[in-house]
Amino acid sequence: DTGVSQDPRHKITKRGQNVTFRCDPISEHNRLYWYRQTLGQGPEFLTYFQNEAQLEKSRLLSDRFSAERPKGSFSTLEIQRTEQGDSAMYLCASSPSGGRPDTQYFGPGTRLTVL
Amino acid sequence: GQQVMQIPQYQHVQEGEDFTTYCNSSTTLSNIQWYKQRPGGHPVFLIQLVKSGEVKKQKRLTFQFGEAKKNSSLHITATQTTDVGTYFCAGRNNFNKFYFGSGTKLNVKP
Repeated sequence: DTGVSQDPRHKITKRGQNVTFRCDPISEHNRLYWYRQTLGQGPEFLTYFQNEAQLEKSRLLSDRFSAERPKGSFSTLEIQRTEQGDSAMYLCASSPSGGRPDTQYFGPGTRLTVL
Repeated sequence: GQQVMQIPQYQHVQEGEDFTTYCNSSTTLSNIQWYKQRPGGHPVFLIQLVKSGEVKKQKRLTFQFGEAKKNSSLHITATQTTDVGTYFCAGRNNFNKFYFGSGTKLNVKP
C-alpha cells in the first residue's frame, strides 16, 4: 500500500496526558499537512511542512501542540496536557511539491478521545 | 482572518435530481480544490481550479471558479446513490495554506 498511513487509528486518553501521533506520507511527497476535523466540520489546518521545514502553523494552535518532520519523511504531532476540547479526528495529508494539481492525499486519520 | 463559507449544510435529493453546493471566500484565492468524504472515510481529492472563471467537468460533475477567484460551485447532474457523502471545498492562499469549507452533506434517496 503506497497511500498515506497514520498511527494509531484510535487513541483514548485521560485529560492531562500527552499523546503523539505519527504520519507516514506517500514516498517522495515533499509536502505534509496536519488537519483537525470535528464532527460536521471541514478539516481545520494545523500545520504544513515542506520537507523537514515547518513553514506554516495555525494561530489557532496553542503551545500544547507541536509537530516535527525530522528527516523530511514521516511526521509526528504531539499534544501535551490534553483537554476534552482536543477530542477530534487528526488527519495527515501529503502532496508532491510542484505537482499540478497540488492534490492532497489524506490518510485515514487518528481519532482522539479525551476523557 | 480568512474564511471559506459553504452552503447548504445539508441537501436531501431524490435519485435523479440535481445538486449544487456553493463556496465563498472572504479573500481572493490562489486556487480552490474540491474533496468528497464518504461516511467514516477521509477526504478524497476531486479536482482543482486555478484560473479565473474556470469551468471543469467530470462526467456528471461540473465545477466552476468565479471571476474574482473568491467563489466556487460544484453541480451534480442526475444524482445517484453513489454520490452520497460530504463535499468540501478547500481554498488555498498564497502561502500554501488551505481553508476548508464546513462541507455539504448530500443524501440521495433511491
